[in-house]
Amino acid sequence: DGGITQSPKYLFRKEGQNVTLSCEQNLNHDAMYWYRQDPGQGLRLIYYSQIVNDFQKGDIAEGYSVSREKKESFPLTVTSAQKNPTAFYLCASSLRGRDTGELFFGEGSRLTVL
Amino acid sequence: AQTVTQSQPEMSVQEAETVTLSCTYDTSESDYYLFWYKQPPSRQMILVIRQEAYKQQNATENRFSVNFQKAAKSFSLKISDSQLGDAAMYFCAYRPLSGGGADGLTFGKGTHLIIQP
Repeated sequence: DGGITQSPKYLFRKEGQNVTLSCEQNLNHDAMYWYRQDPGQGLRLIYYSQIVNDFQKGDIAEGYSVSREKKESFPLTVTSAQKNPTAFYLCASSLRGRDTGELFFGEGSRLTVL
Repeated sequence: AQTVTQSQPEMSVQEAETVTLSCTYDTSESDYYLFWYKQPPSRQMILVIRQEAYKQQNATENRFSVNFQKAAKSFSLKISDSQLGDAAMYFCAYRPLSGGGADGLTFGKGTHLIIQP
């Protein structure tokens, strides 16, 4: 079945540690996205990528980094520079251009900083 | 910058009744998509319905329908015959077609829908 797989589902981190969240899709979508979700805040865009080896900052990119070495993979690293990393993180993908439409989402990763 | 506003943080409806969730948006674009997503307690984002701005006809998906008022920049979701499984957070979202919609969707802050049995 085609879809988006995020791992791990739950992650605990000590302050000062970097952590990487995985996102893999087999939908053959060019575009991939990372969103952060906090209670009462909706979803806010962290980074997005339209093609391999290219990505752009979203609204809240500070303290995060990404890579896009393969079409199907878009990992997100939460660095120690992120002041409040505890949140729910959602990865998504979509088509591009005039065919663009809805985003398809993974099941999310819950990060808790201890 | 585009913004999406959901003015109802929480709504409650009796099972089998009808409920309408409100959404307004701000944009200078003429060509765009609008969406309603549902996020149940599992936190999986599920597309409920989508509307292309160039279409005057309101989208409908079974018990879900929208009232799209382009001039007023309003996009409400009506849920008929509410069921217990409809309980969830509902997010309104906007995506411009200019630039190929490169930077994804802009979301509202959500409406928590409670279904009373």
